Amino acid sequence: AAGVIQSPRHLIKEKRETATLKCYPIPRHDTVYWYQQGPGQDPQFLISFYEKMQSDKGSIPDRFSAQQFSDYHSELNMSSLELGDSALYFCASSLRVASGMDTDTQYFGPGTRLTVL
Amino acid sequence: DAKTTQPNSMESNEEEPVHLPCNHSTISGTDYIHWYRQLPSQGPEYVIHGLTSNVNNRMASLAIAEDRKSSTLILHRATLRDAAVYYCILNDNNDMRFGAGTRLTVKP
Repeated sequence: AAGVIQSPRHLIKEKRETATLKCYPIPRHDTVYWYQQGPGQDPQFLISFYEKMQSDKGSIPDRFSAQQFSDYHSELNMSSLELGDSALYFCASSLRVASGMDTDTQYFGPGTRLTVL
Repeated sequence: DAKTTQPNSMESNEEEPVHLPCNHSTISGTDYIHWYRQLPSQGPEYVIHGLTSNVNNRMASLAIAEDRKSSTLILHRATLRDAAVYYCILNDNNDMRFGAGTRLTVKP
């Protein structure tokens, strides 16, 4: 079965540079989530999109922005990179379930490892 | 967001059952109890979820206390491949907040 695809898998950037991470959800999934996991940390929710609209916002820095496109893929744009942005960035996708019926099951991608030097 | 409390770590022997506890005393009526696990160097992986009734699937069982203030993830026969960090998450709006999970070590 098709899984969530993230690209690139590894990325090395210098401080103050920009980076763009891409996420391709499982086909027919309409919701995308972004998470950041620092070294030795638990995943932290950044932001989510449902049907191309921002759904919820977590601890995403103002330097970061994201969007979901008409084909449902999503991009996380990161500017003015700092050393502390070095982390694994996971994307997850789900097919939204009607409210009150159940909750979504999120399927995670393999992650993009960002290293800021 | 309602919080969960899990032991930092647990150990199990291979092929024995494992019971991973989770306390969520501030759970609301609309919160579903989700369990995800993260194997080394991989993204989190869905294990199981439930609302009030106990649930079984091919990976595990979820036992939910009658008052819903705690739950237990049951792996019926642990294998070495089950070594991972297990996260218990309360979710009612589909945006999950991971807390500190339980690191499960499986000994051969």
